[in-house]
Amino acid sequence: GQQVMQIPQYQHVQEGEDFTTYCNSSTTLSNIQWYKQRPGGHPVFLIQLVKSGEVKKQKRLTFQFGEAKKNSSLHITATQTTDVGTYFCGQTGANNLFFGTGTRLTVIP
Amino acid sequence: KAGVTQTPRYLIKTRGQQVTLSCSPISGHRSVSWYQQTPGQGLQFLFEYFSETQRNKGNFPGRFSGRQFSNSRSEMNVSTLELGDSALYLCASSSTSGARDTQYFGPGTRLTVL
Repeated sequence: GQQVMQIPQYQHVQEGEDFTTYCNSSTTLSNIQWYKQRPGGHPVFLIQLVKSGEVKKQKRLTFQFGEAKKNSSLHITATQTTDVGTYFCGQTGANNLFFGTGTRLTVIP
Repeated sequence: KAGVTQTPRYLIKTRGQQVTLSCSPISGHRSVSWYQQTPGQGLQFLFEYFSETQRNKGNFPGRFSGRQFSNSRSEMNVSTLELGDSALYLCASSSTSGARDTQYFGPGTRLTVL
């Protein structure tokens, strides 16, 4: 079946450091979505990537879709305490979203 | 537009009981998906309803069921509760079926089974 691997599971960074989370699939993806869940909150949509090799930026966040459409990454430049939360990738397949296990980001002030 | 609402927000039940959770999607959205979130298993897809029809179902036992009404509101029912059913249950709405559009999540219902 479809498997979503997301690494790392946890990441602690000092405020101002960069952060990257990776999402890998065993199959070629049609698209990929990224969500952020703050502690005690619910997942909030960040972005969707569709094209091979696509790169999208949202302020300090950079999202990338692999050339083979089997992996994706989210990179945060100069983390801030507001970036704290769990970042999930979601892969669309068979009419539903398969989510990765998420990367929980802790930012130390 | 008002966001996705879920009721109740917290629920405590005992093993063997049944529970019904409710989800009201964003106005105009006809797709409602349900997810179970646990620390160990992450976010797992339960099922999706679109225009009152179940479009897809995840790998959960038959104790988990749902339905959708003509106004797109959806309910999820869990019968014969087990301790392992303790989780945050999230619903998400979108304008089209198939999870290819943005999923707007509700705040969730925190279910504790004792």
